[in-house]
Amino acid sequence: EVQLVESGGGLVQPGRSLRLSCAASGFTFDDYAMHWVRQAPGKGLEWVSGISWNSGSIAYADSVKGRFTISRDNAKKSLYLQMNSLRAEDTALYYCAKDSSTSIAARPMDYWGKGTLVTVSS
Amino acid sequence: SYVLTQPPSVSVAPGQTARITCGGNNIGSKGVHWYQQKPGQAPVLVVHDDSDRPSGIPERVSGSNSGNTATLTISRAEAGDEADYYCQVWDTSGNHYVFGTGTKVTVL
Repeated sequence: EVQLVESGGGLVQPGRSLRLSCAASGFTFDDYAMHWVRQAPGKGLEWVSGISWNSGSIAYADSVKGRFTISRDNAKKSLYLQMNSLRAEDTALYYCAKDSSTSIAARPMDYWGKGTLVTVSS
Repeated sequence: SYVLTQPPSVSVAPGQTARITCGGNNIGSKGVHWYQQKPGQAPVLVVHDDSDRPSGIPERVSGSNSGNTATLTISRAEAGDEADYYCQVWDTSGNHYVFGTGTKVTVL
């Protein structure tokens, strides 16, 4: 059974940093691209970032480019999101999602975690 | 940047057909994926590549895509279909994924 478990969320002040993690199990982690998708309270889904199977291809939403960094450790079957210079508008539930292919272009996200909540407030 | 527009809400009577549209410039040239999200739960993929269903998704859920509109159709609607639905495409010009604005489906 595919499982994705996010962690690392919490309350953080504007301008500070936070690192999210996603532990994967139930599939061959290094065969698939991975993504972070967020959802602000009461709002829709927003894709944040994606990383290919070997970290060779990475993409970001314009809203986080230059502030967030996605990475993965295939040996540990883990995905990460380093979030710097956090803003109030980054407040959201952050989901880890598995891509259905090795690359990050055009394919659907076939499994999702339950999410970890990030609240940016003073 | 590429924009996907969905109606905020769609209502359907039990047993009838709900159609959820997703509008975008020449969306027919892109592969469209659809996700269902029930309250308090993570999204679930229900249709990929315009009209393909993952295993476990019933045949009464179908998709189509042509011109400037993609459509998710739910036939013989049930109370369990009540959820938010999102379309998604890959924007090649911006090199990023785009989600639609989302549609809340209510089964009256």
